[in-house]
Amino acid sequence: DQQVKQNSPSLSVQEGRISILNCDYTNSMFDYFLWYKKYPAEGPTFLISISSIKDKNEDGRFTVFLNKSAKHLSLHIVPSQPGDSAVYFCAARDGGATNKLIFGTGTLLAVQP
Amino acid sequence: DTEVTQTPKHLVMGMTNKKSLKCEQHMGHRAMYWYKQKAKKPPELMFVYSYEKLSINESVPSRFSPECPNSSLLNLHLHALQPEDSALYLCASSQATAASGANVLTFGAGSRLTVL
Repeated sequence: DQQVKQNSPSLSVQEGRISILNCDYTNSMFDYFLWYKKYPAEGPTFLISISSIKDKNEDGRFTVFLNKSAKHLSLHIVPSQPGDSAVYFCAARDGGATNKLIFGTGTLLAVQP
Repeated sequence: DTEVTQTPKHLVMGMTNKKSLKCEQHMGHRAMYWYKQKAKKPPELMFVYSYEKLSINESVPSRFSPECPNSSLLNLHLHALQPEDSALYLCASSQATAASGANVLTFGAGSRLTVL
């Protein structure tokens, strides 16, 4: 049973435009949501997080939006750059003392020059 | 030093071999993790160590044996593996398991394991 889902396996965007990556979850007990970026042959790199009590968090070109009623979050990248091309994983933290992260299946973003 | 270092980067082993994967961090983190990632799948948690003690084992087969010799090192001992165990093994660390805030995991680059 997939608790964190990324329904778009891939996304292609023109350089300079907005990239929107989506993520849905089922467990209302998740207390933090994180986005990681992964290049081939490298480990995931942390991008941005949001607490379950917030609805928006912004860091430079990256903004994450959380809609708790819909159990949905999205990552906006503006403007998109070719170096942003990577696999993006949404991850949800199982609230409590374990700090267990549950990852979505990932979305491959390709930013075309 | 903000890195998690994993060795080896690549490992090929037979089903009767014994090998180990190693992970090191010098960020003063007190929680360390092993994740397994198969191709086109998300990373899946295997083990969590908190203050050098095993706190989570996600029902991992005993042919995988974790060890945390000290707060900076994490090993994964491999024995009698199966070809389906071939995957990317990711080590990560965080300040602790119960720290405040997002308590971000920092990942290493992974060890690519192939079992023949």
